[in-house]
Amino acid sequence: DTGVSQDPRHKITKRGQNVTFRCDPISEHNRLYWYRQTLGQGPEFLTYFQNEAQLEKSRLLSDRFSAERPKGSFSTLEIQRTEQGDSAMYLCASSLAQGRVNNEQFFGPGTRLTVL
Amino acid sequence: AQKVTQAQTEISVVEKEDVTLDCVYETRDTTYYLFWYKQPPSGELVFLIRRNSFDEQNEISGRYSWNFQKSTSSFNFTITASQVVDSAVYFCALSEARKSTFGDGTTLTVKP
Repeated sequence: DTGVSQDPRHKITKRGQNVTFRCDPISEHNRLYWYRQTLGQGPEFLTYFQNEAQLEKSRLLSDRFSAERPKGSFSTLEIQRTEQGDSAMYLCASSLAQGRVNNEQFFGPGTRLTVL
Repeated sequence: AQKVTQAQTEISVVEKEDVTLDCVYETRDTTYYLFWYKQPPSGELVFLIRRNSFDEQNEISGRYSWNFQKSTSSFNFTITASQVVDSAVYFCALSEARKSTFGDGTTLTVKP
């Protein structure tokens, strides 16, 4: 296992279409995060899983966004009825939680979404 | 609310110069973690250093060192003897129980 992988790397879609991204974390990592990053900005937190439980979701995240991690392994992020403002890089990260210790996150290469 | 401020948008230095990147954070939690990440032109974020809120001891790791001061809510990062390969965007991040907040980054350019 060489790291966090994300698929696809690039996605171009038309406004109004649904898109789904996949993230495969480092196998032994129990925490998984989704972020959105736009040009000139830092990663913006979207949601976070501990194993299969979604424990936190950003209030900035509209109802068009949903994420799952059904078996505590890979995760999917779906955006319904995409809008041009959704165009961004979507980053996935994973970490190994040890009690209350927040270990460093390992990031994937991201999925670049372009909404036309 | 959590907030991370990196006041320096861009820094340019000449190779072998030392450079310090500033980070100021806001949090109400007493237990939190601070990180520095590097994002090279290739795009993938890479972890550099971590510090928890109970440990203000400053350390040096190779060419990297950091200065954590709770009294001023600052977590500054220094690269000694900078190299061209250090050119990247550097992000400071605050991690609490369930959420991580990143600053907007400082773009470091190291010229030969």
